[in-house]
Amino acid sequence: EVQLVQSGGGLVQPGGSLRLSCAASGFTFSDYSMNWVRQAPGKGLEWVSYISSASSTIYYADSVKGRFTISRDNAKNSLYLHMNSLRAEDTAVYYCAKGYESDYWGQGTLVTVSS
Amino acid sequence: DVVMTQSPLSLPVALGQPASISCRSSQSLVYSDGNTYLKWFQQRPGQSPRRLIYKVSNRDSGVPDRFSGSGSGTDFTLKISRVEAEDVGVYYCMQGTHWPRTFGQGTKLEIK
Repeated sequence: EVQLVQSGGGLVQPGGSLRLSCAASGFTFSDYSMNWVRQAPGKGLEWVSYISSASSTIYYADSVKGRFTISRDNAKNSLYLHMNSLRAEDTAVYYCAKGYESDYWGQGTLVTVSS
Repeated sequence: DVVMTQSPLSLPVALGQPASISCRSSQSLVYSDGNTYLKWFQQRPGQSPRRLIYKVSNRDSGVPDRFSGSGSGTDFTLKISRVEAEDVGVYYCMQGTHWPRTFGQGTKLEIK
């Protein structure tokens, strides 16, 4: 059974940093690209970032480019999102999603940016 | 960026009745490999999104056959043949052809 278990959310002050994690199981993690998608409170879905299976191709939404870094550790079956210079508008539930076609999603983790 | 426009944004439907959601893209979603990477997701209240349909019309495993996807180029539709109570939620289309990936605004389905 495919499982994506997320951790690392919380309350952070504007300008602060946070790292999100997504632990994968039930499939060969190193064979699949991964995505991060976020959802601001009461709003729709926004794609954030993509990383290919071997980390050779990475894309970011313009809204996070230069502030967020996606990475993965295939030996640990884990995906990460390092978030720096956080702003109030980054407040959202962040989801990891498996594969080019986003067929499975994690449970989501809430990031709140507020003083 | 490719703009995905869904309609309607609110969809009240009586139980057992059909429902239809339109999704239009500002550019063709046909990729150079010939595939069209248009997906539909369902998000029930308080839950993570769940993929229902991929590549326009392919239903995911476990998705009831009352859900169907169709369309081509820039014009796509999700249909529910007979709405059930468990279908309540928000439905999103998403394009996976161009970077950045983009979603429609979401269509909220409720029982009338």
